[in-house]
Amino acid sequence: QSGLTQPASVSGSPGQSITISCTGTSSDIGNYNYVSWYQQYPGKAPRLIIYDVTNRPSGVSNRFSGSKSGNTASLTISGLQAEDEADYYCSSYTTTTPVIFGGGTKVTVV
Amino acid sequence: QVQLQESGPGLVNPSETLSLTCSVSGTSIKGYYWTWIRQPPGKGLEWIGYNYYGASIKYNPSLRSRVTISIDMSTNQISLQMNSVTTADTAVYYCARPVSTRTEDALHIWGQGTAVIVSS
Repeated sequence: QSGLTQPASVSGSPGQSITISCTGTSSDIGNYNYVSWYQQYPGKAPRLIIYDVTNRPSGVSNRFSGSKSGNTASLTISGLQAEDEADYYCSSYTTTTPVIFGGGTKVTVV
Repeated sequence: QVQLQESGPGLVNPSETLSLTCSVSGTSIKGYYWTWIRQPPGKGLEWIGYNYYGASIKYNPSLRSRVTISIDMSTNQISLQMNSVTTADTAVYYCARPVSTRTEDALHIWGQGTAVIVSS
């Protein structure tokens, strides 16, 4: 099964909002409300920032929000800050694997 | 405080078996889907598989024939074995625990990762 599709890069200015898309199929995102998002800095382990499409773990800023429509999930970062510059990965439960990841999106704060 | 610590050889010869251990502290092994993930240099994350304390074990179909994930509850360790490795298996390997006992994905607690190079 192929991975989820994410844009390779997204950029924004401090204070702006950006949205990262994550496109799957009816076998994963479209069929389950089990989409997660991870933030990863270079050389560090990923950090869970969104799970079950919209939930934030304790300690994660409310500037991060998630949503889903059909086979596409989205992560929105509001009030973009320099510290948000990182790689972001989506994942979804699937009918087969059972978990697949997106290819990752590099967020640049310009 | 929950902590995961991966360990294993940093270098493995092609065609041999890779063996990694994840030592768990601060949480019970029971009830969670203990998961291994890897990340090749400069690339994205790949889900390897999980072991739900022996009651349910699932693997990525692309790796299923070469991978075994086991749990030793007496030592609070999760192990990963991958046989017949090639250079394509060079990666940082992470163990992780989901956010709750009801969750198979949503990996909340991660180890720091251990780098493995497959080379002769």
